[in-house]
Amino acid sequence: DIQMTQSPSSLSASVGDSVTITCRASQGISNYLAWYQQKPGKVPKLLIYVASTLQSGVPSRFSGSGSGTDFTLTISSLQPEDVATYYCQKYNSAPITFGQGTRLEIK
Amino acid sequence: EVQLLESGGGLVQPGGSLRLSCAASGFTFSSYAMSWVRQAPGKGLEWVSAISGSGRTTYYANSVKGQFTISRDNSKNTLYLQMNDLRAEDTAVYYCARLWFGELGLFEYWGQGTLVTVSS
Repeated sequence: DIQMTQSPSSLSASVGDSVTITCRASQGISNYLAWYQQKPGKVPKLLIYVASTLQSGVPSRFSGSGSGTDFTLTISSLQPEDVATYYCQKYNSAPITFGQGTRLEIK
Repeated sequence: EVQLLESGGGLVQPGGSLRLSCAASGFTFSSYAMSWVRQAPGKGLEWVSAISGSGRTTYYANSVKGQFTISRDNSKNTLYLQMNDLRAEDTAVYYCARLWFGELGLFEYWGQGTLVTVSS
């Protein structure tokens, strides 16, 4: 099975900072990579799919990139409402796999 | 508006069984693959199972294969997860989700989840 590894596991940044989260697949997955945001006490929300396509309604400060095995999620100007845990997800083949999550906090 | 409402969670002893249900509304249920995703307390997301719109094709995580069974009743717009021989490590919030881009695709809509606690 393909494993998804995120880094860092947690990070703290200031409002207005640019933040990058990395997701690495143990084998190539083309661009079948999605990112989800889960705010505390809430259900996950789809942010990005096919590695770089923003889901409708997601602020443009979120962006994704990558292909093959290495992917990134970038928040260009961190806002207080971005406090959440972020998960990458590999899809299009079984088993569907999530990364372990990255907890983002505001300094 | 898409709505997914899970039910059937609760406290169960190790070795016991539970059947979760997910009532769907706001879309043509039979046109969409559906899935279960779980999240243990304080932990990350784990995909559990998926089923095609017709119900003919199913997929399972290795961790639940042979233990859980996913099914659906398109006449009732309801998704099910039959969970047998439950273990402490099955304790989690179980989310029902509508899939996008196929049976092994993206989780576009999520229910609020139902908590399953396996404990003596």
